[in-house]
Amino acid sequence: AQTVTQSQPEMSVQEAETVTLSCTYDTSESDYYLFWYKQPPSRQMILVIRQEAYKQQNATENRFSVNFQKAAKSFSLKISDSQLGDAAMYFCAYRSSNSGYALNFGKGTSLLVTP
Amino acid sequence: GAVVSQHPSWVICKSGTSVKIECRSLDFQATTMFWYRQFPKQSLMLMATSNEGSKATYEQGVEKDKFLINHASLTLSTLTVTSAHPEDSSFYICSARDRVETSGDIQYFGAGTRLSVL
Repeated sequence: AQTVTQSQPEMSVQEAETVTLSCTYDTSESDYYLFWYKQPPSRQMILVIRQEAYKQQNATENRFSVNFQKAAKSFSLKISDSQLGDAAMYFCAYRSSNSGYALNFGKGTSLLVTP
Repeated sequence: GAVVSQHPSWVICKSGTSVKIECRSLDFQATTMFWYRQFPKQSLMLMATSNEGSKATYEQGVEKDKFLINHASLTLSTLTVTSAHPEDSSFYICSARDRVETSGDIQYFGAGTRLSVL
C-alpha cells in the first residue's frame, strides 16, 4: 500500500507571509493523483489543489501552489499571502490510478496563522 | 460545486443500539461512495468503498457485520453501526465520486457525523 508522510505535525505562519507544507509518498506506480485537502474546525474537507502525476507542470490555484518532484516522490504545498482563514489541518492524499478511487491520507499538518 | 449531504451531523446513542448515517449526493450521481473514520487529531482512515448496486468492499480490519453499508441508489449510501459500543465513538466522513468521468478523480466530502456512544 502507498504511504503518505507529512513530517510536520504543526506549522505556524504570520499573516501575509508564505509557508510551505511538506509531503512525501511511497509508490511503485507511475500514474497516480495527488491532492491537498484542508480541514477547518468545522471538519468539512475542502479540496485545495490536485496534481496528476503525468503532468510535469506544477498545479496552482490562486494563492496555493505545489512543488511536485516525481523522482523524489515529494509534493509540497506553498501558501502565499497567508490569511487567517487558512488556519486548518492540511492533509496530503494519494490516489492510485489502478486500484479504485479511494484516497490514502497523510497524518496531517496543523497550520496556525498569526496576525 | 457538487454537494454531499451527510446526516446526522451529531448523534449520541446508548451502548448496544444501532445508528444509521446517511450520505447523499445532492446534484450529481455517485457511482462510488467512500466511508472514512477519523479519530481526534488524526487522519482519515478508509473503512469501505461503496458501489451502487453491489456489496461494499471493506478495508482490512474493518468488521463488515459491525459496519453495514448499503448503496441502494446513485445518490444515497448509508452506514449503520450495529450494536454500537463506546469504542465506536468517532467522526465518520463520507465522500462521493461523480459518475461523470471528466471529473471522476475528484471526491466530494460530506460534513461528517460525530458519533458518541454512552
